[in-house]
Amino acid sequence: AQSVTQPDIHITVSEGASLELRCNYSYGATPYLFWYVQSPGQGLQLLLKYFSGDTLVQGIKGFEAEFKRSQSSFNLRKPSVHWSDAAEYFCAVGAGSSASKIIFGSGTRLSIRP
Amino acid sequence: EAEVAQSPRYKITEKSQAVAFWCDPISGHATLYWYRQILGQGPELLVQFQDESVVDDSQLPKDRFSAERLKGVDSTLKIQPAELGDSAMYLCASSETSGTGEQFFGPGTRLTVL
Repeated sequence: AQSVTQPDIHITVSEGASLELRCNYSYGATPYLFWYVQSPGQGLQLLLKYFSGDTLVQGIKGFEAEFKRSQSSFNLRKPSVHWSDAAEYFCAVGAGSSASKIIFGSGTRLSIRP
Repeated sequence: EAEVAQSPRYKITEKSQAVAFWCDPISGHATLYWYRQILGQGPELLVQFQDESVVDDSQLPKDRFSAERLKGVDSTLKIQPAELGDSAMYLCASSETSGTGEQFFGPGTRLTVL
């Protein structure tokens, strides 16, 4: 069965520092992978997605993620975080024949230290 | 900018009462999703509609939950009777197609069952 693991429940980084959020997936075929961000009291917003092609994917707000098939990972990175990046981040895998069913990880809460 | 609308934003009810949530997807989006997000976890798909038809309701507790999208536009999710364990955020999302199209999320309805 498809699954997503986000091993870090909570991460704190200093403003201006680099960020990497970890994500590991379990899926039998080539996965469709997503990163979503959820700010307090708001719905989820798509940061980026990987379907095929270049394994380094650029997203909105300066985020990028790299698909590594050998490690079953899809880690999210940002070179320099801003206080406004504080939020909950969810990695997800698209399941089913058309990947319309999305299975989410449990999320990583990001706090920014001034 | 078009958004997914949900109401109410917050709902407090007592156990054994009935509750209903409403979602209005982005205009023209054929696919509509209802998710449940328990505190500290990622969203879990409850039901997926393609136009007015249910595509996937395998995770919907059908003894107490029901969902409809009668005209293939807006949708209602109902719980009757509510139980303490139903306390969660209920998210609605929509997409243009049921394939790998991006899902756009509404702000959610936070349900508290006392």
